[in-house]
Amino acid sequence: QVQLVQSGAEVKKPGASVKVSCKTSGYTFINYALHWVRQAPGQRLEWVGMIITGNGNIKYSQKFQTRVTITRDTSASTAYMELSSLRSEDTAMYYCARDHDAGSHELDYWGQGTLVTVSS
Amino acid sequence: DIQMTQSPSTLSASVGDRVTMTCRASQSLSIWLAWYQQRPGKAPKLLIYKASTLESGVPSRFSGSGSGTEFTLTISSLQPDDFATYYCQQYNTYPLPFGQGTRLEIK
Repeated sequence: QVQLVQSGAEVKKPGASVKVSCKTSGYTFINYALHWVRQAPGQRLEWVGMIITGNGNIKYSQKFQTRVTITRDTSASTAYMELSSLRSEDTAMYYCARDHDAGSHELDYWGQGTLVTVSS
Repeated sequence: DIQMTQSPSTLSASVGDRVTMTCRASQSLSIWLAWYQQRPGKAPKLLIYKASTLESGVPSRFSGSGSGTEFTLTISSLQPDDFATYYCQQYNTYPLPFGQGTRLEIK
């Protein structure tokens, strides 16, 4: 069965960086793009960016363009999201999610979420 | 960037009711819109994609309609499990924003 398993919760100080992983299984990794979505406490879902796992092409939300890096390791069927220059407003649950169909960006499988807390 | 607006922000209803919520886009999406259900503390769950296609395993009381800039999600007969927050998301052009959500609460 399809599974997306994310790394554990992180506590970081302002100005630091965090790297969250999303290990996938149960399907062919390179056939489906992976997205990162975050949700601050009590707020709406916010799309951060995505990676086309087959060729490595990336799209970022302009809001995060200068601070976020999404990568993948095809041999490990794992995607990563690194966010730098953290501030308190980055405190949120971060999710990875998979395209439902190749090239169609509705998101059918989601990771369990990784809570990132930014606090001095 | 495309802006997504959902209404109402909160909807109060009872078990058995029929409810409808709306999602509007600032530009045409054709049919590239999805609906998600999110329960507290859980990841979102895909309900509807391409505006009106029911995801496998989702009960048939959920339905979606619309195209262009206006879309609706209807639940034909509310069940206790349906009280949650619902989000729309456009995927016509990058970036891929979500609406602010409609919280469905028990009256």
